[in-house]
Amino acid sequence: AQKVTQAQTEISVVEKEDVTLDCVYETRDTTYYLFWYKQPPSGELVFLIRRNSFDEQNEISGRYSWNFQKSTSSFNFTITASQVVDSAVYFCALIRTSGTYKYIFGTGTRLKVLA
Amino acid sequence: EPEVTQTPSHQVTQMGQEVILRCVPISNHLYFYWYRQILGQKVEFLVSFYNNEISEKSEIFDDQFSVERPDGSNFTLKIRSTKLEDSAMYFCASSEGGWGNEKLFFGSGTQLSVL
Repeated sequence: AQKVTQAQTEISVVEKEDVTLDCVYETRDTTYYLFWYKQPPSGELVFLIRRNSFDEQNEISGRYSWNFQKSTSSFNFTITASQVVDSAVYFCALIRTSGTYKYIFGTGTRLKVLA
Repeated sequence: EPEVTQTPSHQVTQMGQEVILRCVPISNHLYFYWYRQILGQKVEFLVSFYNNEISEKSEIFDDQFSVERPDGSNFTLKIRSTKLEDSAMYFCASSEGGWGNEKLFFGSGTQLSVL
């Protein structure tokens, strides 16, 4: 079975602090994709990143960075120098690369960045 | 950037009534999806649709649910006889390809309230 766990239900930080959102996944597949999506207060789900299981390189995009560690089945997301606009719910998701169209989402982490 | 459009943004209905949620996916996308999010919970897969037929559905997607692509642009989700527990945010999504190697583009959702 596949599962995504986001143990942090809510995190509050003060603007300019760094924050890491945890994602732990379970799968027996050797080939899979991991995603992060952002859900701002307006409600839509916005794609942030896709990572395949063979690519363990960390990625940085501006203030966002992702740390993929297969050994611990984790795909953590760090926001550096957080801003109020980063306040949102962040979802981690997993999918096999074949045989299914079903993305498995975690329960999400609500991030509140306080001014 | 192209968007997935969903209408209406809010729908209130009485238990037992039929509702149709509408979506206009991104025009060159071939794969279409419905997901739902019960308030405060995770995003759950309902169904995927490709080449004018359902390619995969979840256990949530029972006989009360149906999907249709009545013309070249719209993608609809029908709930024949709504139940209280159908109250949720329903997200439409589309992707260029399938098999999990594509990012999903989500609409802003339709908040369905069943009274």
